Amino acid sequence: GENVEQHPSTLSVQEGDSAVIKCTYSDSASNYFPWYKQELGKGPQLIIDIRSNVGEKKDQRIAVTLNKTAKHFSLHITETQPEDSAVYFCAARWGTSYDKVIFGPGTSLSVIP
Amino acid sequence: GAVVSQHPSRVICKSGTSVKIECRSLDFQATTMFWYRQFPKQSLMLMATSNEGSKATYEQGVEKDKFLINHASLTLSTLTVTSAHPEDSSFYICSARSEGFNQPQHFGDGTRLSIL
Repeated sequence: GENVEQHPSTLSVQEGDSAVIKCTYSDSASNYFPWYKQELGKGPQLIIDIRSNVGEKKDQRIAVTLNKTAKHFSLHITETQPEDSAVYFCAARWGTSYDKVIFGPGTSLSVIP
Repeated sequence: GAVVSQHPSRVICKSGTSVKIECRSLDFQATTMFWYRQFPKQSLMLMATSNEGSKATYEQGVEKDKFLINHASLTLSTLTVTSAHPEDSSFYICSARSEGFNQPQHFGDGTRLSIL
């Protein structure tokens, strides 16, 4: 089945710096890659997603890139702010079962004021 | 748009009690709903997938008689933890998706279940 790895597990950056979180997936048939932000005690919130026919997508300070050949995708947050501090999960939709999304283990991001 | 409401947000009850958690899509029709379990500082573990009007599909290792799922309408799914024990204590989160596999999942804010 699909396996999603995510690095780093924890990340601390100074306010205003950029943060990058990287994920890899195993199933080459996966075609949809969402990113979620989870704040303490809350459910995950979809922040950006990318489909396999696109290499990059940007939404204000957030961008995601996808390398299908290498089965890598990354989240880039620029000009980080303290409110960006949260746990971020990457995910991949499992190609053989379109209803199943597999989550990475998560990255705890701390933005230091 | 795409708001998912989960209730209750927190439950504390005695061992042996059955607990029902509701998940509602407020502004869209949720053809498919998902139930996850999350342990502290860990990722989300899919427990089951339910399509409206059909029986839920459970992941390997999840007891269907222990975790009863009902998805009787396009806006409501319920998870009942039957005869709950301390090891069932966890954070349970639902998500919902409208029709079409290209649609994203939207999550509720979770239910913190504590069994004494």
